[in-house]
Amino acid sequence: DSGVTQTPKHLITATGQRVTLRCSPRSGDLSVYWYQQSLDQGLQFLIQYYNGEERAKGNILERFSAQQFPDLHSELNLSSLELGDSALYFCASSADRGSSDTQYFGPGTRLTVL
Amino acid sequence: GNSVTQMEGPVTLSEEAFLTINCTYTATGYPSLFWYVQYPGEGLQLLLKATKADDKGSNKGFEATYRKETTSFHLEKGSVQVSDSAVYFCALSGYTGGSEKLVFGKGTKLTVNP
Repeated sequence: DSGVTQTPKHLITATGQRVTLRCSPRSGDLSVYWYQQSLDQGLQFLIQYYNGEERAKGNILERFSAQQFPDLHSELNLSSLELGDSALYFCASSADRGSSDTQYFGPGTRLTVL
Repeated sequence: GNSVTQMEGPVTLSEEAFLTINCTYTATGYPSLFWYVQYPGEGLQLLLKATKADDKGSNKGFEATYRKETTSFHLEKGSVQVSDSAVYFCALSGYTGGSEKLVFGKGTKLTVNP
């Protein structure tokens, strides 16, 4: 158990809908990262927050957004969903701001868009 | 930009066989290098890391040496066990697009048979 929790575990929705994925980092960790894992694209970094502020951005679509709240939990919002958004979404956390810091991954949320 | 190339799988070995999974990278500057492991149905876990040239990372019998001259970070284990069956990801942390990010290879699935 990494100490990172993600909810929900599974999500099934329809095209055009909007969903919110939630992540609670390990106790004391200030950075939260979001990744998308799909068969064709592999594991792609989406975005990082450090202590409430956006720190780094990867291949995140404009339809996706994220935030980190004062209690350090984070939410990833996916809107106008398309079939191609079906994937596993992982959250990770680390103590510090650098991506070279050890990242601890949650179990993931599997999103299926029908 | 930064990238990681690792050998395509799947790799199937018998118990106690020697394992090598090749990983090469392209990066500007001096990245940190990682191997992560993903067991079925779980998130990624850090297996080992190396932060500078000639460093050797090791954990649970696995080893990898940061070779700057060949831009490689090959994963090795002398005697694999059935419990090592998992997907292994090589990754680097470095600056790309103005911020520090973790970039993953596509993963290599290892199956160890008794």
